[in-house]
Amino acid sequence: QKEVEQNSGPLSVPEGAIASLNCTYSDRGSQSFFWYRQYSGKSPELIMFIYSNGDKEDGRFTAQLNKASQYVSLLIRDSQPSDSATYLCAVKIPAGNQFYFGTGTSLTVIP
Amino acid sequence: EPEVTQTPSHQVTQMGQEVILRCVPISNHLYFYWYRQILGQKVEFLVSFYNNEISEKSEIFDDQFSVERPDGSNFTLKIRSTKLEDSAMYFCASSRGLANEQFFGPGTRLTVL
Repeated sequence: QKEVEQNSGPLSVPEGAIASLNCTYSDRGSQSFFWYRQYSGKSPELIMFIYSNGDKEDGRFTAQLNKASQYVSLLIRDSQPSDSATYLCAVKIPAGNQFYFGTGTSLTVIP
Repeated sequence: EPEVTQTPSHQVTQMGQEVILRCVPISNHLYFYWYRQILGQKVEFLVSFYNNEISEKSEIFDDQFSVERPDGSNFTLKIRSTKLEDSAMYFCASSRGLANEQFFGPGTRLTVL
């Protein structure tokens, strides 16, 4: 069973703070990792992807990957109320081309 | 910026009826996908499609489901005899390549009565 686990939250942070979202996965062979943002009633919107161990930064977002610990995280710096959404972690395993999604973490940024 | 489009945005049908959900993937993408999301639950993979054939499907994608690329732009999901439990958001996605990120359409909300 290929599992992607996320803390469902809700996670609340004050505006301007750093939000930290975490994801673990069970398939050690997983190679590609994606973070999507989903507003209520909307489709997933790609934020970032990461393939290699370490950090990858894009604007206010930083993805961190640790394959040895089977852990991927997303940091959102200077959080804004518009960042309030559910954040989905998606993992692609080498065999096949489907994504496995976690249940998502609900983030609320308080003005 | 190119995007995936889906029609209709909302489909209401009676149990046992057939529905066809339509998608237009991003034009230079080669891989196409259908996912569903039951209200309050996770996004679940249904099927992937490449080179005019199914490349992978999940346990959810049983004989009631089929996919087709009837022309160079459309990608459809057919549910032959809908059940109440088919009520969900159905998302189409596409990607340039096998390892590339997938871009999602806005979804079709299917309500089976």
